[in-house]
Amino acid sequence: EPEVTQTPSHQVTQMGQEVILRCVPISNHLYFYWYRQILGQKVEFLVSFYNNEISEKSEIFDDQFSVERPDGSNFTLKIRSTKLEDSAMYFCASSYFIDSNQPQHFGDGTRLSIL
Amino acid sequence: TQLLEQSPQFLSIQEGENLTVYCNSSSVFSSLQWYRQEPGEGPVLLVTVVTGGEVKKLKRLTFQFGDARKDSSLHITAAQPGDTGLYLCARGSSASKIIFGSGTRLSIRP
Repeated sequence: EPEVTQTPSHQVTQMGQEVILRCVPISNHLYFYWYRQILGQKVEFLVSFYNNEISEKSEIFDDQFSVERPDGSNFTLKIRSTKLEDSAMYFCASSYFIDSNQPQHFGDGTRLSIL
Repeated sequence: TQLLEQSPQFLSIQEGENLTVYCNSSSVFSSLQWYRQEPGEGPVLLVTVVTGGEVKKLKRLTFQFGDARKDSSLHITAAQPGDTGLYLCARGSSASKIIFGSGTRLSIRP
């Protein structure tokens, strides 16, 4: 079964450094998402992306965050100047339709640790 | 804010026992989803319930959507160690965004 893949599985970065998290969504999916999960807390929506544009973003997704689909397969999340509180699991997801009843398929996440 | 409250937060039971976990809100939803998340992995969709009163079965798991579409339950019959994980209910908040509950962490002791 096709799956969403994320790399790296674990990223350790010094505070203030830039980090790029990478995702390869399922190949025929059109809608892409990033979520994060701080240790012991809920999975939280960050951003959705369609047709090379952000569709929706949360208040967490401030100017330090950006997303890009640089080619036909990758979907990236960049954090420009990382803070300690950015430490979390970051999940990429994709779906074929954009509909609140349609399933989003999640990757296994990147654990980001900011020192 | 349309929160999803899940209970209990933690549940540890013996293999072979039955259990029920709950997902509640003060708001009406068009649909509700249940996910399971295992350590080191992303959430995996188990089921989507759409109609008030709907019951869906997935092997030993039974999902029910409340008549008023404000709550849902997940019942596991004869729990097995493989059922261990974090169970999340979730709803679509907009066309693109999923809002997750805080989850029930289930541990099944052999």
